[in-house]
Amino acid sequence: AQKVTQAQTEISVVEKEDVTLDCVYETRDTTYYLFWYKQPPSGELVFLIRRNSFDEQNEISGRYSWNFQKSTSSFNFTITASQVVDSAVYFCALSDTGRRALTFGSGTRLQVQP
Amino acid sequence: NAGVMQNPRHLVRRRGQEARLRCSPMKGHSHVYWYRQLPEEGLKFMVYLQKENIIDESGMPKERFSAEFPKEGPSILRIQQVVRGDSAAYFCASSPTVTGGLFFGEGSRLTVL
Repeated sequence: AQKVTQAQTEISVVEKEDVTLDCVYETRDTTYYLFWYKQPPSGELVFLIRRNSFDEQNEISGRYSWNFQKSTSSFNFTITASQVVDSAVYFCALSDTGRRALTFGSGTRLQVQP
Repeated sequence: NAGVMQNPRHLVRRRGQEARLRCSPMKGHSHVYWYRQLPEEGLKFMVYLQKENIIDESGMPKERFSAEFPKEGPSILRIQQVVRGDSAAYFCASSPTVTGGLFFGEGSRLTVL
């Protein structure tokens, strides 16, 4: 069975601090995808990134970066120089190519204080 | 190119009534997924459909819930005889292919009084 664990329920930082959101996953599949989504207070789900299990290169997109480590089954997300607009719930998710359904973690609520 | 459209955005029903939630996928997307998000929880997969076919309904409650994706028109998630525990946000997502990225709609928030 697949499982995604986001151990940090809530994180509070002050603007301009860097913050890392942890994601640990479990799967028996050799081919799978990992995702991060952002859910701002307005409630919609915003797609941030999808990563194939064969691609372990770290990715950077502006202030966002992702560290994928297969050896520790982790796919952590770092926001550099956080801003108030980053305040949201962030979800990590996992899917296998066969079943196609996403398994979501329980989310990490990030509060960025001005 | 419009995103995934869900309506209604908010729906209030009394216990025992029926709720119908609609989802129009992105243009060119033939794969539709429904997820449920209970308050303060992550999203849980319910059902995966392609045009006119249910591919995976392993996350659907066995009773009162049904989903369809007809040849023409939006996908419909139907909840009969709603109960208070059905109060949640229901998200639809679509994808152009089995391995394509999932794009979510803004969700439909059901409140059962």
